[in-house]
Amino acid sequence: SAVISQKPSRDICQRGTSLTIQCQVDSQVTMMFWYRQQPGQSLTLIATANQGSEATYESGFVIDKFPISRPNLTFSTLTVSNMSPEDSSIYLCSVNPGRGLGDPDTQYFGPGTRLTVL
Amino acid sequence: QKEVEQDPGPLSVPEGAIVSLNCTYSNSAFQYFMWYRQYSRKGPELLMYTYSSGNKEDGRFTAQVDKSSKYISLFIRDSQPSDSATYLCAMRVPFTSGTYKYIFGTGTRLKVLA
Repeated sequence: SAVISQKPSRDICQRGTSLTIQCQVDSQVTMMFWYRQQPGQSLTLIATANQGSEATYESGFVIDKFPISRPNLTFSTLTVSNMSPEDSSIYLCSVNPGRGLGDPDTQYFGPGTRLTVL
Repeated sequence: QKEVEQDPGPLSVPEGAIVSLNCTYSNSAFQYFMWYRQYSRKGPELLMYTYSSGNKEDGRFTAQVDKSSKYISLFIRDSQPSDSATYLCAMRVPFTSGTYKYIFGTGTRLKVLA
């Protein structure tokens, strides 16, 4: 399966600031997904990022708040802008595995970024 | 009604027990069905996936799908303390544009007691 890393693994931030989370995959993938997982809750999709096109955001999430970059087939960033305590959550990136690395209809996840906003 | 319903637990069982984890869904367009295991402070780990009704077995794990009832299950045989985690079901829903997204259950917390 694809190996996915995220940076930072955790951070504590002040309200009003921004944090950029990086997601690196060890193989080329077409689709990357960004999720939020709040304490005791399931995964909520923020946006889907395809290389070479604008990210597609889910209802309730906007580009100004969560800008995403996807400069190539192995890397993406998610920025959480103008943070408030309500943004405290685990942020996860995931991918459909590339050819030969698993079933392309499934998803593999990174380890997550644990964000606390004070 | 939520698209995917999953009992949040927690579920506590003795070591060696058979565990049954379940999800129901409402959208008949759901295709692929997956089960993830998530340990505390870790990302979800794909356990099993299937796209057809019936059973799929992998070691101590069996995934069962009943599309007519919109019901999926994960069975764990001979449960071990290392199986203690949160288990999430997930399903893929296609869009007419050719894209798709995944819908996750809320997760069931399982604790296997030694």
